[in-house]
Amino acid sequence: DAGVIQSPRHEVTEMGQEVTLRCKPISGHDYLFWYRQTMMRGLELLIYFNNNVPIDDSGMPEDRFSAKMPNASFSTLKIQPSEPRDSAVYFCASSSRIDTEAFFGQGTRLTVV
Amino acid sequence: GQSLEQPSEVTAVEGAIVQINCTYQTSGFYGLSWYQQHDGGAPTFLSYNALDGLEETGRFSSFLSRSDSYGYLLLQELQMKDSASYFCALWNNNQGGKLIFGQGTELSVKP
Repeated sequence: DAGVIQSPRHEVTEMGQEVTLRCKPISGHDYLFWYRQTMMRGLELLIYFNNNVPIDDSGMPEDRFSAKMPNASFSTLKIQPSEPRDSAVYFCASSSRIDTEAFFGQGTRLTVV
Repeated sequence: GQSLEQPSEVTAVEGAIVQINCTYQTSGFYGLSWYQQHDGGAPTFLSYNALDGLEETGRFSSFLSRSDSYGYLLLQELQMKDSASYFCALWNNNQGGKLIFGQGTELSVKP
């Protein structure tokens, strides 16, 4: 398996634009996590899915953020409209079950200007 | 809720031993994990403690004490390539389980 694949690797957008981040988890992994990493706040869990169902979205900062997992091999994180304070590295991770290793994608570095 | 506390940075010399501590508050969890992240890279898994005690994997060991709400990562025979950020993380057992990370400890290894 190629591991967790995220796209794009880098995204620069203007404030107010819609941004969509994509993630392909490792095949067979039932858990998918979206994290945001900044210097100030570290690695924050935004939302996670189990078997394509969102289980906990309490970390989603506000209504501008939404996430979907239409099938077991694809998830999106959307920000609409984007703001400069959304600039961060967004990681997707997947795991075969609870209490085992989580595998991270290479992240998407988002810059909102 | 849950929270994990780690020192923000640690410095050590090549060949030495360093211990990175992690204290936590949680209503329930499956186990404590450790991850390494180099600058510009993704976090990668190092170790996992489901039970109290020491787990050893090569130069790295991890320890958990549930009664003390405490764990640590021990790195031996430090190498320059060990300079990175290290995160402890809890698999929380509420709401089906979610993986929560501490703020990370930046380890600098000096020659």
